[in-house]
Amino acid sequence: AQSVAQPEDQVNVAEGNPLTVKCTYSVSGNPYLFWYVQYPNRGLQFLLKYITGDNLVKGSYGFEAEFNKSQTSFHLKKPSALVSDSALYFCAVRDAMNYGGSQGNLIFGKGTKLSVKP
Amino acid sequence: DGGITQSPKYLFRKEGQNVTLSCEQNLNHDAMYWYRQDPGQGLRLIYYSQIVNDFQKGDIAEGYSVSREKKESFPLTVTSAQKNPTAFYLCASSISLYSGANVLTFGAGSRLTVL
Repeated sequence: AQSVAQPEDQVNVAEGNPLTVKCTYSVSGNPYLFWYVQYPNRGLQFLLKYITGDNLVKGSYGFEAEFNKSQTSFHLKKPSALVSDSALYFCAVRDAMNYGGSQGNLIFGKGTKLSVKP
Repeated sequence: DGGITQSPKYLFRKEGQNVTLSCEQNLNHDAMYWYRQDPGQGLRLIYYSQIVNDFQKGDIAEGYSVSREKKESFPLTVTSAQKNPTAFYLCASSISLYSGANVLTFGAGSRLTVL
């Protein structure tokens, strides 16, 4: 069965400092990995995804994520945090070998609240 | 602008009442989804659909029902059989259920509170 874990409920960062939001996953085959962001009382917005190729993926708003197959991780990073980055971040995984049907659906982590202080 | 429209944004329900949440998309996406979000639990899949007049149960379908009479519309009914319906409900769509790399587009959500 596929699963995704976000080990930190909350991450606190000072503005201008680098940030990392952690994500680890488990799938039987190769993973498709995604990061989404949610602002209060809003839907989720897509940030970036890893499908294949370069392990470092760049996305919206200056975010990037590094796929590490040996550690089964896909941590989200940003070199310099902004107060406006404060939001709830979700990692999601899908098994690339399964599509269609319930096994092909995205599995979401529980979310990590990012708080950036001025 | 293309997107997903959910209504109402806030809804209050008395115990024992059914309520229907609306979801409309103008993205020409084939696949549509309903998720439930509770604090600290992430998103859980309720129902999903790839084509008109066809839909499948997700992980927590009990107490919910859906219909897909039009490609653009995927309403969710929260029935009185749902034991704990207070939650934030998110509708999403993607180009197809059968391409794993597809990104989900989400609506702004509907917050249901049972009084």
